[in-house]
Amino acid sequence: DTGVSQDPRHKITKRGQNVTFRCDPISEHNRLYWYRQTLGQGPEFLTYFQNEAQLEKSRLLSDRFSAERPKGSFSTLEIQRTEQGDSAMYLCASSLESGLAATNEKLFFGSGTQLSVL
Amino acid sequence: LAKTTQPISMDSYEGQEVNITCSHNNIATNDYITWYQQFPSQGPRFIIQGYKTKVTNEVASLFIPADRKSSTLSLPRVSLSDTAVYYCLVGDLGGTSGTYKYIFGTGTRLKVLA
Repeated sequence: DTGVSQDPRHKITKRGQNVTFRCDPISEHNRLYWYRQTLGQGPEFLTYFQNEAQLEKSRLLSDRFSAERPKGSFSTLEIQRTEQGDSAMYLCASSLESGLAATNEKLFFGSGTQLSVL
Repeated sequence: LAKTTQPISMDSYEGQEVNITCSHNNIATNDYITWYQQFPSQGPRFIIQGYKTKVTNEVASLFIPADRKSSTLSLPRVSLSDTAVYYCLVGDLGGTSGTYKYIFGTGTRLKVLA
């Protein structure tokens, strides 16, 4: 399978614990996005990378959230001191940015990691 | 905030054609319009993309008028398996990076009835 893979698929944790999610993008894709989605809402932008550079982080994102993409390949999203409000589906997507300054990217999403904070 | 506006929900019957319209009044010259489909517990899936006029693929058609301030996703002869949430996206240049990112709205929940 050459699609975007996310691990784990499900994570249950207790409030105050740290969690880390992994995303493996499609191999030739240079962009990687993280989104968070709660029930009944569209995916909420968290952050994105071009190769290994983190281009932007949502202003709504707490300092407890951090993401990395070492070597421009896989990415990890860490949440420190989890809170019940962090419970959500965390989605990763990758794309091939054309360099033409046009928004014709096609995002390929993984199946997500469902986080439940008890 | 998303740069697009869509109806929150729509119902249709099997075999009918469904048209979902998206408003993007502030679309930029470099913006393409992209539609995604999402089933429960899955990530969104690319359906179709266009810049102007009409685009058709094996799944859907996308109609874009000359002013590009709206677009219409057309699903021919829907089946129960087309029940999903459909999102319309354009690029967002806001933020600190100076590059485009993609902001989702709440999408349109399509329910296909037997």
